[in-house]
Parts: sequence; structure tokens; C-alpha cells
Amino acid sequence: QVQLVQSGAEVKKPGASVKVSCKASGYTFSGNYIHWMRQAPGQGLEWMGWINPNSGDTKYAQKFQDRVTMTRDTSISTAYVELSSLRSDDTAVYYCARDIGYSYGNYFDSWGQGTLVTVSS
Amino acid sequence: DIQMTQSPSSLSAFVGDRVTITCRASQSIRTSLSWYQQKPGKAPKLLIYAASSLQSGVPSRFSGSGSGTDFTLTISSLQPEDFAAYFCQQSYNTPRTFGQGTKVEI
Repeated sequence: QVQLVQSGAEVKKPGASVKVSCKASGYTFSGNYIHWMRQAPGQGLEWMGWINPNSGDTKYAQKFQDRVTMTRDTSISTAYVELSSLRSDDTAVYYCARDIGYSYGNYFDSWGQGTLVTVSS
Repeated sequence: DIQMTQSPSSLSAFVGDRVTITCRASQSIRTSLSWYQQKPGKAPKLLIYAASSLQSGVPSRFSGSGSGTDFTLTISSLQPEDFAAYFCQQSYNTPRTFGQGTKVEI
């Protein structure tokens, strides 16, 4: 079955960077975009961007354009998101999700378990 | 960006009740809408895609309807395990925006 398994929780100081991984299994990794979202404590879901595992092409939300980098390693079916210049308001659970397309849109059918990133001095 | 507005933000209901959650888009998104359920400490789970298509394995008490700007998620007979937050999300264009969520308390 399709599984996305993310790396463990991180604690970072303000100004540092964090890199979260998302390992896919149960399907052909290059066949579906991977999206990244985050959820601050007690808040809703915020879309960060996507990566095409086949080509490596990316698209980022404007809010994160200057600080986020999404990459992938097809040899190990793993996607990564790196966020730099961390601030306290970057404290959140970060999720990856597999994207499925249909005629009029897309949806996320499988999600990683989430990775808590805490930014604190 | 397309804004997604959910209502209500929270609700309380009894087991067996019919529950309806509304999601409104700031512009037409045709049927490019999904609904997700999220339980505390867990990742979101897909319930409905393309506004009204039930994801495989999801109980038939969940249904979705709507097109254009107005959408609804209905739980026909609320069960104790349905205590959760529910989010709508549009995929008509980028950025993929979510509603702010509806918390359902039993």
C-alpha cells in the first residue's frame, strides 16, 4: 500500500535551517507530484509548494519563495523540504502528501505522518 | 489567491444527527474541491474529492455536493469516531488553499 514516512521531530534555533524528508513506498515515486503543507499549533493547513519527482521541477507558495527549497532523490524515493532563516512562527507540523490528478483538479490521497519542527532559542 | 471560507468553525451534535458543513470559494472553482478529516495528532485523511466523489474505504455516511463557489460536506448519521476537524481545499489553481476548518464535537 502507498506509504509516506517522514523524518523525526526537530528543534532549531532562530536563523537556522531545517530539512525534512518524506520517503515514499508502495507506488512509482516519479509518477506523482509531492506537495508540502504545514500546520501551526491549533491552526489550519498551509500549502507550501510542490515538487515533480520525475523532473525535479518545483513551485513554491509566494510566502515561502525566498526561504524554501524542495528536492528529491529518486534513487531512494525520497522528497525533501528545507526551510531556512527559521523564525518562531515557523514552529509547526510539516506534512508531505501525494498528489492525484483528475479531469478538473487534484487531491491528496496519502499523507505523511507529520514532522514537528520547533523553533526556539 | 482563492479564499476558502468554512462554516461553522465548530459545532456540537449528538450521535445519529445529520451534520452539514459549508465551504465557500471566493471565485468559481468548478468541482475542484476536496474534503479532509483530521483527528488530533494525526495527518489529514481524504474523504471526498471532485466535490462529490467518495474516497475508497470512506463510510457512505459521508457525502459531498456543490459546484462553482458553494459546497457542502454532509455526515448523514454522526458516529462517535467522527469527532474531528474537517477541512475543504481547492485545487482549481495554485496556491492550493484550505478552509480554516470545522471542529465537530460529539
